[in-house]
Amino acid sequence: GENVEQHPSTLSVQEGDSAVIKCTYSDSASNYFPWYKQELGKGPQLIIDIRSNVGEKKDQRIAVTLNKTAKHFSLHITETQPEDSAVYFCAATVTYNQGGKLIFGQGTELSVKP
Amino acid sequence: DAGITQSPRHKVTETGTPVTLRCHQTENHRYMYWYRQDPGHGLRLIHYSYGVKDTDKGEVSDGYSVSRSKTEDFLLTLESATSSQTSVYFCAITPSGRDYNEQFFGPGTRLTVL
Repeated sequence: GENVEQHPSTLSVQEGDSAVIKCTYSDSASNYFPWYKQELGKGPQLIIDIRSNVGEKKDQRIAVTLNKTAKHFSLHITETQPEDSAVYFCAATVTYNQGGKLIFGQGTELSVKP
Repeated sequence: DAGITQSPRHKVTETGTPVTLRCHQTENHRYMYWYRQDPGHGLRLIHYSYGVKDTDKGEVSDGYSVSRSKTEDFLLTLESATSSQTSVYFCAITPSGRDYNEQFFGPGTRLTVL
């Protein structure tokens, strides 16, 4: 089955710097790759996603890149702000007959220091 | 929280007792999911539903059952709770009209089994 590895587990950056989180997946049939942000005591929030027919997607300060050949994808956050501090999860999805099964990475705790 | 309510939000119970968690939505979403979140494991799918009385297992379904007798409610039951089921449980939905890979999470239920 699908397996998703996420690195690093913790990341500390200065405000204004960039942050990069990387994930690798094992199942070449995976076709959808979302990223979630989870703040303390809350549920994960979908912040950006990318499908297997696209190599890059941007939304303001965040971007995601996908390399299908190498089976890895990355989240890039530019001009980081203290409110970006949270736990970030990547996931990969293989479509089933009646639904999409999300397989999550282990999470990255991002700390942005003022 | 994607228009999802979860109840209870916190529960402490004893080993061997039955526990039912409720996920409620009011937008007639077809797809609903139950995940558990544990340190070092990200989120893992327990069961999901693709319609009333239509459910299927996820990757960690042992010890759990689900029911969906009406569109708005998806119930997760631990028939006989064990300490290994201490976790935070999240319900997710796919909004109507969206690709069923796109999942949005509720606020979570923290369950402690003593």
